[in-house]
Amino acid sequence: DSGVTQTPKHLITATGQRVTLRCSPRSGDLSVYWYQQSLDQGLQFLIQYYNGEERAKGNILERFSAQQFPDLHSELNLSSLELGDSALYFCASSVGGDRLFFGEGSRLTVL
Amino acid sequence: QKEVEQDPGPLSVPEGAIVSLNCTYSNSAFQYFMWYRQYSRKGPELLMYTYSSGNKEDGRFTAQVDKSSKYISLFIRDSQPSDSATYLCAMTPRGAGKSTFGDGTTLTVKP
Repeated sequence: DSGVTQTPKHLITATGQRVTLRCSPRSGDLSVYWYQQSLDQGLQFLIQYYNGEERAKGNILERFSAQQFPDLHSELNLSSLELGDSALYFCASSVGGDRLFFGEGSRLTVL
Repeated sequence: QKEVEQDPGPLSVPEGAIVSLNCTYSNSAFQYFMWYRQYSRKGPELLMYTYSSGNKEDGRFTAQVDKSSKYISLFIRDSQPSDSATYLCAMTPRGAGKSTFGDGTTLTVKP
């Protein structure tokens, strides 16, 4: 158990819909990272937050947004969903930014 | 060209074999080098962490970094069926920041 909690574990929705994925980092970790993993691709970095502020941005689509709340949990919002958004979405947390501790992921299926 | 290139595999070996997994990188700013193990699309789990060139050993696992060649390796001795997983290399630049991952090598150890 990494100490990082992600909900929901599985999500099935239709194209055009909006979903919210939630992540609670390990106790004491200020950084939260979101990664996307599709079947035919590796882990793609989406965005990083540090203590409530956006710190780094990867190839995150404009339809996607995230935030980190004062209690350090984070949410990833995915809107106007397309079939190609079907993937595993991982949240990770870190103290120093080098070693990441991953949650079990949220598996999103868009039909 | 990707910043991190990982031998794609898949790799299939008999139990007890020595396994070598490799990654090359192009960004000389990478300072921290990690190997993660991912079972069946579960969350990646940090396996080895190294800083700067050299070897680091942990049980049956040895991580090797050659910064002059921009090349890292993970060796698994006496491989076991329980080592069957996807192995991801990852690198983080000086001053921390986002980790860049290789696409992963899937290893199967046959009894």
